[in-house]
Amino acid sequence: DGGITQSPKYLFRKEGQNVTLSCEQNLNHDAMYWYRQDPGQGLRLIYYSQIVNDFQKGDIAEGYSVSREKKESFPLTVTSAQKNPTAFYLCASALGPGTGELFFGEGSRLTVL
Amino acid sequence: KQEVTQIPAALSVPEGENLVLNCSFTDSAIYNLQWFRQDPGKGLTSLLLIQSSQREQTSGRLNASLDKSSGRSTLYIAASQPGDSATYLCAVSKLVNNDMRFGAGTRLTVKP
Repeated sequence: DGGITQSPKYLFRKEGQNVTLSCEQNLNHDAMYWYRQDPGQGLRLIYYSQIVNDFQKGDIAEGYSVSREKKESFPLTVTSAQKNPTAFYLCASALGPGTGELFFGEGSRLTVL
Repeated sequence: KQEVTQIPAALSVPEGENLVLNCSFTDSAIYNLQWFRQDPGKGLTSLLLIQSSQREQTSGRLNASLDKSSGRSTLYIAASQPGDSATYLCAVSKLVNNDMRFGAGTRLTVKP
């Protein structure tokens, strides 16, 4: 089955720790995205990548980092510099720039204790 | 900066009703508009994608319209069912890189 796989589904972190969220897609999509969702708010873009070895900051990139070493993988690291990291994180992909439809994974819920 | 608003924030209807969800955006220079469904604790499922050159798209009981000049889109759900209960989000893309801006969603409850 083609799709986007995010892991872990739930993650607990102590303050001061970095954590990495995994996002893997087998749709052969060039473009990949990370969004953050907070209760009652729309999704906000953290980072996006249109091609391997290239990525761009979104609206709320501070405290986050990404890499795009392989076409199918776009991991997100939430660093200790992120002041309010507790949120629902969503990974998405699209065939490529300008090709429209966005597909999402099932999300990862991060809770900072 | 593009802003996307969805009204109402929540809606409760009896089963069988036809209903309309609204989405408005401030910048009419969009590339496309997409409607999504989100169940609690889950990711987003794409429902309909409307390119900027199109006026509407249909899938089963769903019909989405787009009026770029007025900055509005509507999602029409016919003969609603309890299984339609979810949050519906709209998103608009201005740039070719698919940088989509999302509304906060409308939480729909369809009562049996």
